[in-house]
Amino acid sequence: AQKITQTQPGMFVQEKEAVTLDCTYDTSDPSYGLFWYKQPSSGEMIFLIYQGSYDQQNATEGRYSLNFQKARKSANLVISASQLGDSAMYFCAAKAAGGGADGLTFGKGTHLIIQP
Amino acid sequence: DTAVSQTPKYLVTQMGNDKSIKCEQNLGHDTMYWYKQDSKKFLKIMFSYNNKELIINETVPNRFSPKSPDKAHLNLHINSLELGDSAVYFCASSQGEGSWETQYFGPGTRLLVL
Repeated sequence: AQKITQTQPGMFVQEKEAVTLDCTYDTSDPSYGLFWYKQPSSGEMIFLIYQGSYDQQNATEGRYSLNFQKARKSANLVISASQLGDSAMYFCAAKAAGGGADGLTFGKGTHLIIQP
Repeated sequence: DTAVSQTPKYLVTQMGNDKSIKCEQNLGHDTMYWYKQDSKKFLKIMFSYNNKELIINETVPNRFSPKSPDKAHLNLHINSLELGDSAVYFCASSQGEGSWETQYFGPGTRLLVL
């Protein structure tokens, strides 16, 4: 079983600044995947980025990057040059490799508000 | 050409009723899921299903049952609805069941039990 901890319930950030959303995980599985999702106020869940536990390099997708520190069990999401449209809930999630058709284990989320 | 679709988007019903939420994916994925998002926005897996197995989260009451008529559909049936069932229910799918497989979510169904 995995546990995901997101310690920032809410964040206010000025537009154009970089943002780091924290995520730590706890798992006994040797192989796992880490995901970040965005949920805007409209409610849909949007996949942002994935990091595999054996990946040597940090994942990047456009303005999103994942700061993966395996020894610390952290997988922080970095958003560069934030935009007003980045205001949303952000969820960190994990899935174990040996879990069969298990679902994702989610953290409680961080509510990010970008201010003009 | 929506990848994962759910119907209805909103569902308002009385306690004790039985209701169903439909989910369809046109991505050709093998694995589908149902998640519940509570009033505090916490997401929790309810069911995972592929053509080989159904995994049920042990905390889900047996009033909830998934039914898959084919690989592209995973419907959720709820019997004897209770006030605490009010939540947003998300369907999702992934190509396979590996830890690297991205799960794509439907738009959600907001259920309100009165």
